[in-house]
Amino acid sequence: AQTVTQSQPEMSVQEAETVTLSCTYDTSESDYYLFWYKQPPSRQMILVIRQEAYKQQNATENRFSVNFQKAAKSFSLKISDSQLGDAAMYFCAYLPGANNLFFGTGTRLTVIP
Amino acid sequence: DARVTQTPRDKVTEMGQEVTMRCQPILGHNTVFWYRQTMMQGLELLAYFRNRAPLDDSGMPKDRFSAEMPDATLATLKIQPSEPRDSAVYFCASALRGETQYFGPGTRLLVL
Repeated sequence: AQTVTQSQPEMSVQEAETVTLSCTYDTSESDYYLFWYKQPPSRQMILVIRQEAYKQQNATENRFSVNFQKAAKSFSLKISDSQLGDAAMYFCAYLPGANNLFFGTGTRLTVIP
Repeated sequence: DARVTQTPRDKVTEMGQEVTMRCQPILGHNTVFWYRQTMMQGLELLAYFRNRAPLDDSGMPKDRFSAEMPDATLATLKIQPSEPRDSAVYFCASALRGETQYFGPGTRLLVL
């Protein structure tokens, strides 16, 4: 079974501080993709960052970076210098091959001014 | 600014009525997905198409849901008849070769 687990239903961070959101997944595949999507109150699903499993280097997009541990099947998201606009639901997602995404249950991030 | 568009943005209807949701994928993308998001089930795949051909619709209740791609620029999801349990946000996403998926703004459906 291909499952994605986000064990933190809610997280909070002080503005300008750093926060890490956790994600683990279960798979028997060797090639796949991992993603973090952000869903603000507007409900739009916004791609934050993507990681190809065959790449050892962790992906980075400005203030967002991941810690990808393939052997441990772990894919955490680090948000540096948190901003009020980062407040949202964050979904970890797993893509085996070129098929449909499997989503975690989400982590609600609150940014405290 | 390439993006996936969906209409309507919100829809309120009465039980038993037909509902049609439309999606315009990003130009050039050949894979289109329909997802449903509810509080109880989270995000789940309903169906997806590649090069307009349906590849998987196992997540869709077959008796009342249908999904089609009349052409490369339009995907539709229909519910007939609608039921209160269909109330959810329906997302369309598109991808090139099925990799990174880009989502539309979603259609929030409320069936009374």
